[in-house]
Amino acid sequence: DTGVSQNPRHKITKRGQNVTFRCDPISEHNRLYWYRQTLGQGPEFLTYFQNEAQLEKSRLLSDRFSAERPKGSFSTLEIQRTEQGDSAMYLCASSPASGRGYETQYFGPGTRLLVL
Amino acid sequence: DAKTTQPNSMESNEEEPVHLPCNHSTISGTDYIHWYRQLPSQGPEYVIHGLTSNVNNRMASLAIAEDRKSSTLILHRATLRDAAVYYCILSEGGATNKLIFGTGTLLAVQP
Repeated sequence: DTGVSQNPRHKITKRGQNVTFRCDPISEHNRLYWYRQTLGQGPEFLTYFQNEAQLEKSRLLSDRFSAERPKGSFSTLEIQRTEQGDSAMYLCASSPASGRGYETQYFGPGTRLLVL
Repeated sequence: DAKTTQPNSMESNEEEPVHLPCNHSTISGTDYIHWYRQLPSQGPEYVIHGLTSNVNNRMASLAIAEDRKSSTLILHRATLRDAAVYYCILSEGGATNKLIFGTGTLLAVQP
């Protein structure tokens, strides 16, 4: 399977704990996106990388959230001091930066976070 | 903020065509129209996109109004596996190309 993969698929944590999610994009894609989706809503954009550079962050991404893409391949999204309002599905997507298919984003299955 | 308006839900019968409408009256000249769908407990899946002309692919057809202020996603023969939330999205364009999702249309397919 050469699609976008995300780990873990599910995470249950207690309020105040830190969590980290991982996304492995399609190998030749140099754009990587993180989105968050709460129940009954469409996904909301969080942040975007081109290669290892984080080029845009949504105002939804509070200072408790940090994302990295150290070698321009996989990415991690960390949430510190989790709150119950952080409970959501966290989605990763990737796309080429140019050329054929650059307008299309390919999504992973998501990581579902539940903060107790 | 989402720039598109879609019905909250629609129903169809299996093996019949489905026309999913989308209004985007504030579309700019460089905005692409994208359609994604999301099956339960899965990430969104690309369906089709277009700029000005109608588009066809193996999954669906996209009919774009001449003034580009509306579009229609056409599933030619609905199957039970097409039951999903369908999102009509205008790309932000520019360097980011982030997608701004609305709440989409929940399509139910009856056998």
